[in-house]
Amino acid sequence: QVQLLESGPGLVKPSQTLSLTCTVSGDSISSGNYYWSWIRQPAGKGLEYIGRIHFTGVTNYNPSLKSRVTISVDTSNNQVSLNMSSVTAADTAVYYCAREDFRVVHYARENWFDPWGRGTLVTVSS
Amino acid sequence: QSVLTQAPSASGAPGQRVLISCSGSSPNIGRHPVNWYQQFPGTAPRLLIYSNVQRPSGVPDRVSGSKSGTSASLAISGLQSEDEADYYCATWDDNLFGWVFGGGTKLTVL
Repeated sequence: QVQLLESGPGLVKPSQTLSLTCTVSGDSISSGNYYWSWIRQPAGKGLEYIGRIHFTGVTNYNPSLKSRVTISVDTSNNQVSLNMSSVTAADTAVYYCAREDFRVVHYARENWFDPWGRGTLVTVSS
Repeated sequence: QSVLTQAPSASGAPGQRVLISCSGSSPNIGRHPVNWYQQFPGTAPRLLIYSNVQRPSGVPDRVSGSKSGTSASLAISGLQSEDEADYYCATWDDNLFGWVFGGGTKLTVL
């Protein structure tokens, strides 16, 4: 059974870079044709897609965050990383990583997020 | 402002059926399947429905999903107190070239 665990500093100063790691256990990131995504949720608010990466290195980012976000993959350690630069208080949120599971229907790929990590709270404050 | 629109709240008495709607547009729901997630306070979202109507193992058959045009719905029948949670719809958006979520619906069991 695949499990994801986010880790990283819980407190980041404004204007600095937020760095988080998602460690995958129970399966190899390189096996299967999965995307690995980051999603965040400010306290009391909804979910926001940050971006995703395929183990081949192909990435996709939310246009509203693209200029500040980098997602990378470390297949040797079975980890996916998120870096977000120039953070402000608006970036305070619980950050989740999730695997995009999928099926192919009539040659088209249908994706969904499953499983999710438990999430990690990042607070941006001086 | 979320790309997908959900009512912020819904409620029903135990045993009743409740419908949670998700409204989108052509670049998203109009072209791609919808997934639904259930989230309890302080926990990560959990997949509830994928590809519009499919239930993962472990999700009871009193939970169902549907889609028509640019809207999707999640139905929960035989409401139970343990159904109290937040529910989010999500799909891919071709204009944004990324995932979009609804703002979430908080379900209260009266």
